[in-house]
Amino acid sequence: GEDVEQSLFLSVREGDSSVINCTYTDSSSTYLYWYKQEPGAGLQLLTYIFSNMDMKQDQRLTVLLNKKDKHLSLRIADTQTGDSAIYFCAEKTGGFKTIFGAGTRLFVKA
Amino acid sequence: SQTIHQWPATLVQPVGSPLSLECTVEGTSNPNLYWYRQAAGRGLQLLFYSVGIGQISSEVPQNLSASRPQDRQFILSSKKLLLSDSGFYLCAWSAVRTLYGYTFGSGTRLTVV
Repeated sequence: GEDVEQSLFLSVREGDSSVINCTYTDSSSTYLYWYKQEPGAGLQLLTYIFSNMDMKQDQRLTVLLNKKDKHLSLRIADTQTGDSAIYFCAEKTGGFKTIFGAGTRLFVKA
Repeated sequence: SQTIHQWPATLVQPVGSPLSLECTVEGTSNPNLYWYRQAAGRGLQLLFYSVGIGQISSEVPQNLSASRPQDRQFILSSKKLLLSDSGFYLCAWSAVRTLYGYTFGSGTRLTVV
């Protein structure tokens, strides 16, 4: 079935790079997404990547996609305290649905 | 620009009471609309989605129902709340012919006591 998995916690020091990893199961995924959720708020779309791309860079964010291994990662360069949040990986399957992972809580230590 | 409004932000309701959460979208027509529930430490569970007025698809059997009385209005309801209905409820919309992700509302924290 369709499933998206990601680790639940990541802790980094301010100024370091953060790498959040995600694996998915549906090989027919068309788009893959990263969302950010700050405390008590809804999800905000951070970036997305088409399934025919390997990498996408957007300022401090770098998304890497390994289709063979069904692995997606989000790298945040120069991580700041304001980056502390829950990050959700999601895939849009060949059907109608978008499947979300459980979210990775990023802690940034000053 | 498109905006999505969801209310109330927090709600405390007794077991057995009814529920009505409302979500409206502005600045777009014929959006796809979604209700998700987020339980602590878990991912987002899709509850309902709608591709048009009066068209509701349910993803999981539950104590909740949804309605779409107008193009940009999506309502989540229950006749009698259970303790297990507690959670963070999120409304979202997406354009019909795009795969560029969802726009989420700010969420409603529901606590059933």
